[in-house]
Amino acid sequence: QVQLQESGPGLVKPSETLSLTCTVSGASISSSSYYWSWIRQPAGKGLEWIGRISTSGSTNYNPSLANRVTISDDTSKNQFSLKLSSVTAADTAVYYCARWDSVYVYFDFWGQGSLVTVSS
Amino acid sequence: EFVLAQSPGTLSLSPGERATLSCRASQSVSSTYLAWYQQRPGQAPRLLIYGASSRATGIPDRFSGSGSGTDFTLTISRLEPEDFAVYYCQLYGSSPLLTFGPGTKVDIK
Repeated sequence: QVQLQESGPGLVKPSETLSLTCTVSGASISSSSYYWSWIRQPAGKGLEWIGRISTSGSTNYNPSLANRVTISDDTSKNQFSLKLSSVTAADTAVYYCARWDSVYVYFDFWGQGSLVTVSS
Repeated sequence: EFVLAQSPGTLSLSPGERATLSCRASQSVSSTYLAWYQQRPGQAPRLLIYGASSRATGIPDRFSGSGSGTDFTLTISRLEPEDFAVYYCQLYGSSPLLTFGPGTKVDIK
């Protein structure tokens, strides 16, 4: 069974960089046909796709966040990571990592989510 | 830019009733790229429907999806207690590459 687990600081100061890591088990992030994504959800609100990384390391970002986001991977650890710079209170949210199936075109596995609060 | 609208915002129904949820795209889209997810409180979203009408593995047959072009529908034929949740449609393609609708909350009347 594929499992994803987010990890990282739960509190980040304004103007600093938010960093999260997603550790994948039960599947290799190097497997073809899949992309590895980050999605966030402010409390009581909807889902916002942040971006994704392919097995070849190419990335796609939501244009609304593209100037602040970097997604990278570490295949030796079977992990991928999110960095979001210059954060403000508006970036406070639950951050999910998820696997995107590019053949059937859907998110099939999700992490449990990691709450990140931006506050001084 | 693709925009997804979902209606109603909240649907208040009783167990056993039928739920009909709507997702409308700002432009015509391929049904291949339309999916539905369920999110229960405190949980990650769960895939229900992909390709507009195909049920994901393990999803009960009371859930069905339909539609084409700009109008898509998720139907829950008879609501079970565990079905009271928020439902999101999601579209792949264009800009941004992945878009979620604002969600429809199905709550107990």
